Amino acid sequence: EVQLLESGGGLVQRGGSLRLSCAASGFTFSNYAMTWVRQAPGKGLEWVSTITSSAGNIWYADSVKGRFTISRDNSGNTLFLQMNSLRAEDTAIYYCAKSMAAAEGTFDYWGQGTLVTASS
Amino acid sequence: DIQMTQSPSSLSASVGDRVTITCQASQDINNYLNWYQQKPGKAPELLIYDASILEIGVPSRFSGGGSGTDFTFTISSLQPDDFATYYCQQYNSFWTFGQGTKVEIK
Repeated sequence: EVQLLESGGGLVQRGGSLRLSCAASGFTFSNYAMTWVRQAPGKGLEWVSTITSSAGNIWYADSVKGRFTISRDNSGNTLFLQMNSLRAEDTAIYYCAKSMAAAEGTFDYWGQGTLVTASS
Repeated sequence: DIQMTQSPSSLSASVGDRVTITCQASQDINNYLNWYQQKPGKAPELLIYDASILEIGVPSRFSGGGSGTDFTFTISSLQPDDFATYYCQQYNSFWTFGQGTKVEIK
């Protein structure tokens, strides 16, 4: 059974940093692209960042480029999101999602999310 | 950037109704279009990918169609478990979600 478990969320001061993790199990992690998607309170879904299976390609939304860094540890089956210079508008639930085989853009499994609150 | 416009943003319907949601892309996205369902407090779930292919385990009352810039998502006979928010998502160029359609009980 595929499982994705996010951790690392919490309350952080604006301008501060946080590192999210997503522990994966139930599939061969190193074979799949992985993605972070966020959802501000009461709002819709927003794509944040995607990393291919071997980390050869990485993409970021303009809203986080230069502040967030996605990475992965294929030996430890874990996805990361380093978030720096956090702003109020970064407050959201952050989901990690697995890509379908041969289709990086389709997310077939999602974690339950971790809440990040950037507050003054 | 590709913008995705979903309509309506919300709708009220009864059990057994046929429900259709539309999603329009700001440019041609071929058939690189997915649909997700999200219930309150839960993560999204994939229902349909590549515009019309039903994900394994998803009931056949859900269907999708379209190509290019105009897409539809249909629930043929609304069930109590279907009251949720639905999102379209393109992946022709990066990844963009529509703003969502909340399906409520009439």
